[in-house]
Amino acid sequence: DVKVTQSSRYLVKRTGEKVFLECVQDMDHENMFWYRQDPGLGLRLIYFSYDVKMKEKGDIPEGYSVSREKKERFSLILESASTNQTSMYLCASLRQGGSYNEQFFGPGTRLTVL
Amino acid sequence: AQSVTQPDIHITVSEGASLELRCNYSYGATPYLFWYVQSPGQGLQLLLKYFSGDTLVQGIKGFEAEFKRSQSSFNLRKPSVHWSDAAEYFCAVGGPGFQKLVFGTGTRLLVSP
Repeated sequence: DVKVTQSSRYLVKRTGEKVFLECVQDMDHENMFWYRQDPGLGLRLIYFSYDVKMKEKGDIPEGYSVSREKKERFSLILESASTNQTSMYLCASLRQGGSYNEQFFGPGTRLTVL
Repeated sequence: AQSVTQPDIHITVSEGASLELRCNYSYGATPYLFWYVQSPGQGLQLLLKYFSGDTLVQGIKGFEAEFKRSQSSFNLRKPSVHWSDAAEYFCAVGGPGFQKLVFGTGTRLLVSP
């Protein structure tokens, strides 16, 4: 089975802190994603990466950056955390096979910024 | 632009009753459609997916969904709901190959005794 793990389930940070959220997948997938999930808004794509050192902005990249130095690891960085970044963050890894894709999700990190 | 609409924010169903969760999509080409479930405090788990072929697809946990191109819909159904089905359900649309998924806002299912 594909396994996507995230470094923390719960995280509490202060405004202005630099925050790192880590995601690791064990199935050699090229593509990885970071979403944030907010009530009533569903999942919104922050950034994605289709290869090592490659990244592209999603729908809401402002205030975030990412790093992909190794294929299995995709990090989300909040350079200066703000209270409006309090949210659930979900990482996903994409398996491509034939003509279809399927995303596998980690358990999520619930971040609270005080 | 791609979009997914899940018109029901909350649905309450009695245990043992049937369930239908609605999903409407907008997509410029042949859509690839997904239903995911999220149990409290958990990540998303894929229930089922549609790419082509038979428009009625079977998934895990006794769920099924029907793709209706004429109605741009992909509704999720289950004939008899169990208390453990209480969760949030997300519909998503994408395309072939490497394509970003667009998610709906989710429907929270409550199961009453």
